[in-house]
Amino acid sequence: DVKVTQSSRYLVKRTGEKVFLECVQDMDHENMFWYRQDPGLGLRLIYFSYDVKMKEKGDIPEGYSVSREKKERFSLILESASTNQTSMYLCASSLDPGLVDETQYFGPGTRLLVL
Amino acid sequence: GQQVMQIPQYQHVQEGEDFTTYCNSSTTLSNIQWYKQRPGGHPVFLIQLVKSGEVKKQKRLTFQFGEAKKNSSLHITATQTTDVGTYFCAGLLDSNYQLIWGAGTKLIIKP
Repeated sequence: DVKVTQSSRYLVKRTGEKVFLECVQDMDHENMFWYRQDPGLGLRLIYFSYDVKMKEKGDIPEGYSVSREKKERFSLILESASTNQTSMYLCASSLDPGLVDETQYFGPGTRLLVL
Repeated sequence: GQQVMQIPQYQHVQEGEDFTTYCNSSTTLSNIQWYKQRPGGHPVFLIQLVKSGEVKKQKRLTFQFGEAKKNSSLHITATQTTDVGTYFCAGLLDSNYQLIWGAGTKLIIKP
């Protein structure tokens, strides 16, 4: 089974802090994604990566950056956390770009509270 | 930009009633996927539809993909308390293989 893990289930940070969210997948997937999920808004894509050292902006990249130094690890960085970044953050991975099957496998999520 | 509209946002049903959620895309999709997220959990893949007009069943769940590959529906017959959660559709765009998510439909079972 595909396993996607995230470094923390719950995180509390202060405004202005730099925040790192880590995601690791163990199935040699090419694609990795970061979403945030807020009530009534569904899943919104922040950034995604199709390969090591490669990143693409999603729908809401402002205030975030990402890093993919190794294939299995995709990090989301909040350079200076703000209260409107309080949310549930979900990481996902999928097998290969360009395939018709792009089933995404999700991690358990990190619930971030910015005070 | 490209969107997948999903309705309704919420649906309250009595246990035993049916439930349906609909997704509509402004552009043609290569496939459409359905996910379920239980309260407090993360999205879990349910099924993928690829062919025009495709219908797939999983026990009480029926999934349809429209002839034009722009819309899809999920129908649950005789809901049970275990069906509670939010159901998301996600469409893979024909043009760039980007997965576009619907906003989800939250199924609430009335006591």
